[in-house]
Amino acid sequence: DIVVTQSPDSLAVSLGERATINCKSSQSVLYSSNNKNYLAWYQQKPGQSPNLIIKWASTRASGVPDRINGSGSGTDFTLTITSLQAEDVAVYYCQQYFTNPPWTFGQGTKVEIK
Amino acid sequence: QVQLLESGGGVVQRGGSLRLSCAASGFSFSSFGFHWVRQAPGKGLEWVAFIRYDGTYKYYANSVKGRFTISRDNSRNTLFLQMDSLREDDSAVYYCAKDSSRFGEFLSSWGQGTLVTVSS
Repeated sequence: DIVVTQSPDSLAVSLGERATINCKSSQSVLYSSNNKNYLAWYQQKPGQSPNLIIKWASTRASGVPDRINGSGSGTDFTLTITSLQAEDVAVYYCQQYFTNPPWTFGQGTKVEIK
Repeated sequence: QVQLLESGGGVVQRGGSLRLSCAASGFSFSSFGFHWVRQAPGKGLEWVAFIRYDGTYKYYANSVKGRFTISRDNSRNTLFLQMDSLREDDSAVYYCAKDSSRFGEFLSSWGQGTLVTVSS
């Protein structure tokens, strides 16, 4: 099974500042035949269900603001919130869908306001 | 718009059974695979099971294999999770999630979840 590990477990960022979350998979999730990374990011706000924000490692889902960006390839990925807003307070999860089953999630990163 | 509404959660004794349902609307239910994902209190997300669009293939996490059964009724736009031989560590909020494809990729939409509590 592919293990997905996020860092840090939590971070506190001032409003308007950058938040960076890392995600590392134990095997490459890049499919060479289509050059796509099979990695997604989800945002779970307090008291809510998760919501897809990034697919294919870097494509924003519908309605996601452009301050939220995904990047990376192979085994190393990053979610960046360029200017943190109050509504971005949430737990963020990365998830690989390259090898399934199982679909595996990172342990989550909690983003708070400093 | 996509709507997923889970039901069937509740309190059950260890060793008991529970059947969760997820009623879908707003899209072509029979064209997509579906997942169940759970989240224990204060913990992260754990994938539980997946079923392909036509129900031909089903996959399970090792932690529930042999105890849980995923199924679907495309005529009723409904997903199910039959949970047997429940253990305390099965206590969690259970989410149904629509896959982005027929065969299993990323989870494009999630329901609000239903809470399952297994008591000793």
